[in-house]
Amino acid sequence: DTAVSQTPKYLVTQMGNDKSIKCEQNLGHDTMYWYKQDSKKFLKIMFSYNNKELIINETVPNRFSPKSPDKAHLNLHINSLELGDSAVYFCASSTRLTEQYFGPGTRLTVT
Amino acid sequence: AQSVTQLGSHVSVSEGALVLLRCNYSSSVPPYLFWYVQYPNQGLQLLLKYTTGATLVKGINGFEAEFKKSETSFHLTKPSAHMSDAAEYFCAVSDRGQAGTALIFGKGTTLSVSS
Repeated sequence: DTAVSQTPKYLVTQMGNDKSIKCEQNLGHDTMYWYKQDSKKFLKIMFSYNNKELIINETVPNRFSPKSPDKAHLNLHINSLELGDSAVYFCASSTRLTEQYFGPGTRLTVT
Repeated sequence: AQSVTQLGSHVSVSEGALVLLRCNYSSSVPPYLFWYVQYPNQGLQLLLKYTTGATLVKGINGFEAEFKKSETSFHLTKPSAHMSDAAEYFCAVSDRGQAGTALIFGKGTTLSVSS
């Protein structure tokens, strides 16, 4: 039983393309997040949603657009991909009082 | 603003030796504190957390950490390292009980264990 799942696990694409990463959690949590892990393994928050409402919107290019159709899903759409977008993207979920549970990550490679 | 400093980007120990990974935080109010572990090509797994109460926190796989407010530290220890402990370890902080609050991570410490 996967708690937080992401698809795809690997994504290789060319510059200028548009791609989406999907995230689903079956933990009943009301808050979901996107984090970016760069090549030096540094993790940084990008977005968080609580009950489908955007809570955190860090300074990321507006080419990145999160969408939460319901509390169990948080997708990340990226337009006009650039080389610098290559990273591992992690989805996570939590309640207000619990720790965050992370998905397995999506490794995005832009060529 | 909160921040986390992990001293030592790489720690090497022998199997059976003590593991000590250091974490110091900066926060205007006592935060929630976490240690996560990341095995190669995997997501992050929670080792342990401190929210309130006892300052010595026990986690999974024999790890424990002690919250020291006076030193703003939350160091991770394990009495005897095992080969399977080799991984990347992240210390993180967050605001207390705020919905949707982010984890602020340290830069991570790579633990190597030799036989």
